[in-house]
Amino acid sequence: DAKTTQPTSMDCAEGRAANLPCNHSTISGNEYVYWYRQIHSQGPQYIIHGLKNNETNEMASLIITEDRKSSTLILPHATLRDTAVYYCIVRSTVKAAGNKLTFGGGTRVLVKP
Amino acid sequence: NAGVTQTPKFRVLKTGQSMTLLCAQDMNHEYMYWYRQDPGMGLRLIHYSVGEGTTAKGEVPDGYNVSRLKKQNFLLGLESAAPSQTSVYFCASSYSIATPVQNEQFFGPGTRLTVL
Repeated sequence: DAKTTQPTSMDCAEGRAANLPCNHSTISGNEYVYWYRQIHSQGPQYIIHGLKNNETNEMASLIITEDRKSSTLILPHATLRDTAVYYCIVRSTVKAAGNKLTFGGGTRVLVKP
Repeated sequence: NAGVTQTPKFRVLKTGQSMTLLCAQDMNHEYMYWYRQDPGMGLRLIHYSVGEGTTAKGEVPDGYNVSRLKKQNFLLGLESAAPSQTSVYFCASSYSIATPVQNEQFFGPGTRLTVL
């Protein structure tokens, strides 16, 4: 699976949009971009995934560049409960891969009042 | 549905002692995983299972054994605990379907293990 690069930390104002970047320059054609987050002391939680089109769900939006080498997770109206570590993960869809996830260090997001 | 549950939530061991961590899921998932997370780090995969009776090594399998005798349960064993195994252990499960819409991983609440 391709490696990802994320900023170590970032702050965001409550009520504003949080834009979390991720670089995955070695991504291959059968790999999706996934985002998970981990609120302090809890297990990670799935947020969203995408292949090449932009995606939106009730939690966030995912913007993937045309060359697929980078993406941005957008939390449209950050709340204090969005304070967490956010992980960008690239994963193959090949069934033999066992759906495994490889976690990097993630981005520690602090939402401030 | 309870989702993914882990037992125990906390445990303190002395070096050389053994223990088993239990993970249970009620979502009929085929795949199950054990991860460890050290302070300030991301999760690392220890072992995983793609079905009842099967297991495979992950990134950091040394010092651990696993068993998947029932589809809903995945056990992680430490035969002779070492201080380096002090960590938070997370279990997860997912469907085996290759399309990403339905194969997200669901995580348990974690087990905090300290080895003295």
